[in-house]
Amino acid sequence: QKEVEQDPGPLSVPEGAIVSLNCTYSNSAFQYFMWYRQYSRKGPELLMYTYSSGNKEDGRFTAQVDKSSKYISLFIRDSQPSDSATYLCAMSAKAGGTSYGKLTFGQGTILTVHP
Amino acid sequence: DAGVIQSPRHEVTEMGQEVTLRCKPISGHDYLFWYRQTMMRGLELLIYFNNNVPIDDSGMPEDRFSAKMPNASFSTLKIQPSEPRDSAVYFCASSLTGGAFGYTFGSGTRLTVV
Repeated sequence: QKEVEQDPGPLSVPEGAIVSLNCTYSNSAFQYFMWYRQYSRKGPELLMYTYSSGNKEDGRFTAQVDKSSKYISLFIRDSQPSDSATYLCAMSAKAGGTSYGKLTFGQGTILTVHP
Repeated sequence: DAGVIQSPRHEVTEMGQEVTLRCKPISGHDYLFWYRQTMMRGLELLIYFNNNVPIDDSGMPEDRFSAKMPNASFSTLKIQPSEPRDSAVYFCASSLTGGAFGYTFGSGTRLTVV
């Protein structure tokens, strides 16, 4: 079983829709949670970062973490064609653990927002 | 800041040849990571360094792969001999705080072994 599971999609939605992207994880040592966006033929770029359980909002994006369920989500409101990309969740263990330095990524979800 | 710089952007080589990928991290970052991305396996961590010292190389597929970081501003990933199954996009990333607050990725090297 992979440490991080993410539905690869693909996901296709009309412009203006609300998009929900999700990941589950099995390693309880994970304490830092991130979402990356990757456009075609580009490197991943950090989109959102959260530490604690709950919600964090940044413009049209909301990241949600539920540590008790080992489940994280990214919501995109009023989706735009420019949001079309692959979205990857990523996680890291808390400081002091042997795996502290590295991020473990989900498989990535391919999102297309059509006009 | 120019970001993480990787070279070359594209590499096409014949099976059995040696391939060297290069990375310049962001100045001041003390963590450097090498990842490989394929459609089938997604992003896989190959190796990472902290203060130029390899910390975890458990993701390196086999002895054909080696990585070095001779100084804080340069790292190489070498494949010798290369095989068609090594075809992938190889990313370098750097960070100031390990994984806790995310990395900055380079643009990647697209490797094709024929």
